[in-house]
Amino acid sequence: EPEVTQTPSHQVTQMGQEVILRCVPISNHLYFYWYRQILGQKVEFLVSFYNNEISEKSEIFDDQFSVERPDGSNFTLKIRSTKLEDSAMYFCASNWGINTEAFFGQGTRLTVV
Amino acid sequence: AQTVTQSQPEMSVQEAETVTLSCTYDTSESDYYLFWYKQPPSRQMILVIRQEAYKQQNATENRFSVNFQKAAKSFSLKISDSQLGDAAMYFCAYRSATRFGSQFYFGTGTSLTVIP
Repeated sequence: EPEVTQTPSHQVTQMGQEVILRCVPISNHLYFYWYRQILGQKVEFLVSFYNNEISEKSEIFDDQFSVERPDGSNFTLKIRSTKLEDSAMYFCASNWGINTEAFFGQGTRLTVV
Repeated sequence: AQTVTQSQPEMSVQEAETVTLSCTYDTSESDYYLFWYKQPPSRQMILVIRQEAYKQQNATENRFSVNFQKAAKSFSLKISDSQLGDAAMYFCAYRSATRFGSQFYFGTGTSLTVIP
């Protein structure tokens, strides 16, 4: 069964460092998303991506965040200068069409120290 | 903006019994989708069930069913014959059916404990 895969599963980084979280969405999907979940809290939307551009982003997605789909398969989230409060589980998701459910990856646990 | 509210932070149910998780939402849109996602301790997000707003019939998926009340903007999840593997965090989610690339709006979640 096709699935969304994320790497790494866990990343520890020092405050101020740049991190890149990687995702491989399901191959025929057209819409891609990044969400985050701070421990014990709700799942928060960061950004959606369609047709090689951002279609929607939240207030959380400020200038320190960027997304890219550098080739036909990968979808990355870059955090330029990490802060302690960026520590969270980051989920990538994708779906085929506007009326379909999102398939989530297993998440990347980011710990900023 | 759309909001999704889950008023039950925690619920428990005896194994083999039935439990209902509540969800309400607020939207001005008429066409949308509603979902229930399950998040076990592994923290993977797994789709449990979905409902199209234009459908009057409530969705069912084996032991899982929903009670969708569009006028009341209510979307509850019923789990019948609860199993130990049902223990997880459950999130209700909303998505527009008309806006391309629209995000999913999640509730705060309900932690379900299944008592053997």
